[in-house]
Amino acid sequence: KNQVEQSPQSLIILEGKNCTLQCNYTVSPFSNLRWYKQDTGRGPVSLTIMTFSENTKSNGRYTATLDADTKQSSLHITASQLSDSASYICVVSATSGTYKYIFGTGTRLKVLA
Amino acid sequence: DTEVTQTPKHLVMGMTNKKSLKCEQHMGHRAMYWYKQKAKKPPELMFVYSYEKLSINESVPSRFSPECPNSSLLNLHLHALQPEDSALYLCASSQGVTAPGAKNIQYFGAGTRLSVL
Repeated sequence: KNQVEQSPQSLIILEGKNCTLQCNYTVSPFSNLRWYKQDTGRGPVSLTIMTFSENTKSNGRYTATLDADTKQSSLHITASQLSDSASYICVVSATSGTYKYIFGTGTRLKVLA
Repeated sequence: DTEVTQTPKHLVMGMTNKKSLKCEQHMGHRAMYWYKQKAKKPPELMFVYSYEKLSINESVPSRFSPECPNSSLLNLHLHALQPEDSALYLCASSQGVTAPGAKNIQYFGAGTRLSVL
């Protein structure tokens, strides 16, 4: 069964600190993995997208890694800011003719001053 | 322009009302999607349109009726909804449904917050 699991479910950190969010998946055949940031009541915004051959992708203070062998991905946030408070969703695409998008349940991050 | 515009932002309707949600994109994308998202849950796929034809219907009740008048517009017609249908409705678009890799990034709108009384 295609599944995407994220951990932790929620996380509270102090402003300026770093954090790492995890995403494990059992999606096959794998096409690509994306990290989205979703502010409360808003639509998700794409942060990074990685295909099978990519190990790391950066977008400003966000760095995503992908280990296709162990089917794990992480999103590292450096020098967190209050505006980083949001839900971070890992989405894995499978392809078998038509793309299917499997969403993780997300990690809710709260950055405190 | 990487914007997907959804209107209205908020909608309150009774169970006997008929209303429509609208979604618009001008990125030349040929795939458009409707998602439903309940609080603290990930988005759930409802419908996928590819080249203005309904490609995927994830067993959505008939009280939700999608329509794709042209390649830039996607509507969701609502009729006889239930209170449990209250949620954030998200529209998204991508270059294509089967395009690989980076071309398959979905761009989401800000959503319509729907409350059914």
